[in-house]
Amino acid sequence: DQQVKQNSPSLSVQEGRISILNCDYTNSMFDYFLWYKKYPAEGPTFLISISSIKDKNEDGRFTVFLNKSAKHLSLHIVPSQPGDSAVYFCAANRDTSGTYKYIFGTGTRLKVLA
Amino acid sequence: EAGVTQFPSHSVIEKGQTVTLRCDPISGHDNLYWYRRVMGKEIKFLLHFVKESKQDESGMPNNRFLAERTGGTYSTLKVQPAELEDSGVYFCASSREDGTGYTFGSGTRLTVV
Repeated sequence: DQQVKQNSPSLSVQEGRISILNCDYTNSMFDYFLWYKKYPAEGPTFLISISSIKDKNEDGRFTVFLNKSAKHLSLHIVPSQPGDSAVYFCAANRDTSGTYKYIFGTGTRLKVLA
Repeated sequence: EAGVTQFPSHSVIEKGQTVTLRCDPISGHDNLYWYRRVMGKEIKFLLHFVKESKQDESGMPNNRFLAERTGGTYSTLKVQPAELEDSGVYFCASSREDGTGYTFGSGTRLTVV
């Protein structure tokens, strides 16, 4: 029973265009969301996060949007670069639980074409 | 600061054997976590230590898995006896007491044949 879902296993985008990665969740108790990026043979690295009190957070080329009513978040990368090619994981947490236990999705493999 | 270190990076063992994975967290990080990713699936939480105590072990698959963190420093995850379905990448992560600095190691790829 997956609480965090990434329904697109892969995505290809031309360099310079926008990449949009999507994530849905089912648990309305989640109040903190994160995106992680993973290169082969490396561990996941933190990219950007958003608290449920916000609907948007921006950091350079990366923006995360949260739609609480739809239980949906998305990661926008603009402009996309070949170095962005990686697997992106969406994760969620009950920030108030104090356990720091992250629930991850299955990942979306992004390929940015030069 | 040095990152989270995991040993070995790869391990291939036969079904029925025992394997021990090790994780050295970032110095000063009280929280230590184990996760696992089976091929193509989600990164799944296994357990969480606060110092040497198990805070949450709700994700441990069964009693063939034993995690320890003696002295509150490094941690080991032992699988005994290993089964084919235990194959996957085991990630360790650590964070400060307040949850900040959450950092993953590069993982141990375990293959059970």
